[in-house]
Amino acid sequence: NAGVTQTPKFRILKIGQSMTLQCTQDMNHNYMYWYRQDPGMGLKLIYYSVGAGITDKGEVPNGYNVSRSTTEDFPLRLELAAPSQTSVYFCASSYGVQLNTEAFFGQGTRLTVV
Amino acid sequence: GQQVMQIPQYQHVQEGEDFTTYCNSSTTLSNIQWYKQRPGGHPVFLIQLVKSGEVKKQKRLTFQFGEAKKNSSLHITATQTTDVGTYFCAGPKMKTSYDKVIFGPGTSLSVIP
Repeated sequence: NAGVTQTPKFRILKIGQSMTLQCTQDMNHNYMYWYRQDPGMGLKLIYYSVGAGITDKGEVPNGYNVSRSTTEDFPLRLELAAPSQTSVYFCASSYGVQLNTEAFFGQGTRLTVV
Repeated sequence: GQQVMQIPQYQHVQEGEDFTTYCNSSTTLSNIQWYKQRPGGHPVFLIQLVKSGEVKKQKRLTFQFGEAKKNSSLHITATQTTDVGTYFCAGPKMKTSYDKVIFGPGTSLSVIP
């Protein structure tokens, strides 16, 4: 099993550009999450999904969108990139609710907006 | 609002010394999780504590959940260079329609060989 796979690993965007961060998992997990991590900070939840077709906002959803058309994939869309979105983005998945089960994280995408 | 705090923010220790990080919540937690993130890496789940006063050990790591379920600690005995990284605690975010966790800011551990 590959676990949780994120692409790309690094990306530089210009202000106003858009991009999609890809995330796929092969563990048949229903729950998937997108976090951002700023230097010296913990992880902030952007969006999450409890199953295909169901998504909901986390703590910091502004400027992002998600979709969940399949169990495996949970892409994160950045529209009109801003410098404040410079961060490391982690996708994660869990078998059950993250409250009670282990979450598996991808390797991360380091995004810089200039 | 609900806060999960960790102290210290940074800790530098000589290899072989012990290390402890503390996690404190402004609200009572049903459970708490600990994750480790190596420099440049991704968070990796270490353990989950559920019961008041619970103590769990993983080799040189000892995890404890406070009696009031508002705090937790991670103690590493005789640190090694492989222990380098940031240790995060995570607890349930209250008053949400779905179960979510809130992460503390982490304690960054450096080990001097």
